Amino acid sequence: QQPVQSPQAVILREGEDAVINCSSSKALYSVHWYRQKHGEAPVFLMILLKGGEQKGHDKISASFNEKKQQSSLYLTASQLSYSGTYFCGTANTGKLIFGQGTTLQVKP
Amino acid sequence: EAGVAQSPRYKIIEKRQSVAFWCNPISGHATLYWYQQILGQGPKLLIQFQNNGVVDDSQLPKDRFSAERLKGVDSTLKIQPAKLEDSAVYLCASSLTPVDIQYFGAGTRLSVL
Repeated sequence: QQPVQSPQAVILREGEDAVINCSSSKALYSVHWYRQKHGEAPVFLMILLKGGEQKGHDKISASFNEKKQQSSLYLTASQLSYSGTYFCGTANTGKLIFGQGTTLQVKP
Repeated sequence: EAGVAQSPRYKIIEKRQSVAFWCNPISGHATLYWYQQILGQGPKLLIQFQNNGVVDDSQLPKDRFSAERLKGVDSTLKIQPAKLEDSAVYLCASSLTPVDIQYFGAGTRLSVL
């Protein structure tokens, strides 16, 4: 079942912070975060694994609440380059199911 | 390190015609995925290979779509015959193991007229 992301869209000014949420109705083994710019392929940002292990970029942080089956991506001091669509992907049976995406626009 | 290669980048066909997409994953990646991404939506998994075996093809419309990964490396995805609703970007991705970091190719944008 497809995870639900919120909000659907965010508009920020440079330097502002944003939080993108991802929730699932099923127990999760891991949550993946990707960013896709218009006309380009999705690019890996972070993996959060059951048990607390994380793999990802230093400048992006995220949390994974296994009990609530939720994950949040934290974008702090946003830059113009952060603009794009953010997808979470949830895994519980060996395959990844992506959410519908959150579009982030950072303005100067 | 070379990334995931896909071709062609763009394809325009008429409905009922056939089309094929090619993908070359990152060397050493055992898992290969084909996704369909319709404008404004997230990628939808069509088929997942582990080496040259199919792990999941539950969302593949098997009456018109087929895919193979001979020798566990390159893969092709075919649509025959195409329908208008097949217009989308077809993304290929690969990873070392299932549910590991996925690396995506640039995709093939298909327009069915």
